[in-house]
Amino acid sequence: QVHLVQSGGGVKKPGASVKVSCKASGYTSTSYSVSWVRQAPGQGLEWMGWISAYSGNTDSAQRLQGRLTMTTDTSTTTAYMDLSPLRSDDTAIYYCVFIDGNTGSEDWGQGTLVTVSS
Amino acid sequence: DIQMTQSPSSLSASVGDRVTITCRASQSVSSSLNWYQQKPGKAPKHLIYGASTLQRGVPSRFSGSGSGTDFTLTISSLQPEDFAIYYCQQTYSSVRSFGQGTKVEIK
Repeated sequence: QVHLVQSGGGVKKPGASVKVSCKASGYTSTSYSVSWVRQAPGQGLEWMGWISAYSGNTDSAQRLQGRLTMTTDTSTTTAYMDLSPLRSDDTAIYYCVFIDGNTGSEDWGQGTLVTVSS
Repeated sequence: DIQMTQSPSSLSASVGDRVTITCRASQSVSSSLNWYQQKPGKAPKHLIYGASTLQRGVPSRFSGSGSGTDFTLTISSLQPEDFAIYYCQQTYSSVRSFGQGTKVEIK
């Protein structure tokens, strides 16, 4: 049984940075990638980017390039998302998504709220 | 980037109705398309991948079809627990984009 636990986030000031972590337990696949998705209040889903845990390759939405950093620690099956500098329109719930490269199955984190406010 | 457009943006339906949601890509995405269901306050649930393959545990009343640029999600007989927002997502491009969502409401 796969279980993802997210931590980090909270209230941040404009210009600050935020780091959200996503730890997977019970995850057996060695071929996986991690996507990050966010959802502003009352809005739809926005795909932010993804990272291959195997190769470390990443790609991200053009509007976030230069501000978004994604990493993984395969020894602890943990993924990290850094966003900096923050703007008010970065206020959203941030989700991590583990995607099994062999089966295509997905597991989502519970979501972490990041509020950017002065 | 590939743009995904869903229609309608919202619909009202009754329990037992057949419901169809459309997703159109700005360029061909082959069959690289996911569908998700999201209920208020919850993380999205992955329903379908590869345009038509149901994730394990997803009821068979859900089905997906299409390829290229035009896709549909069909709920054959709407159940009370199906009232939610549905999103499509293309996974053809390394930059993966979502549709804007379709809200399925109770008539």
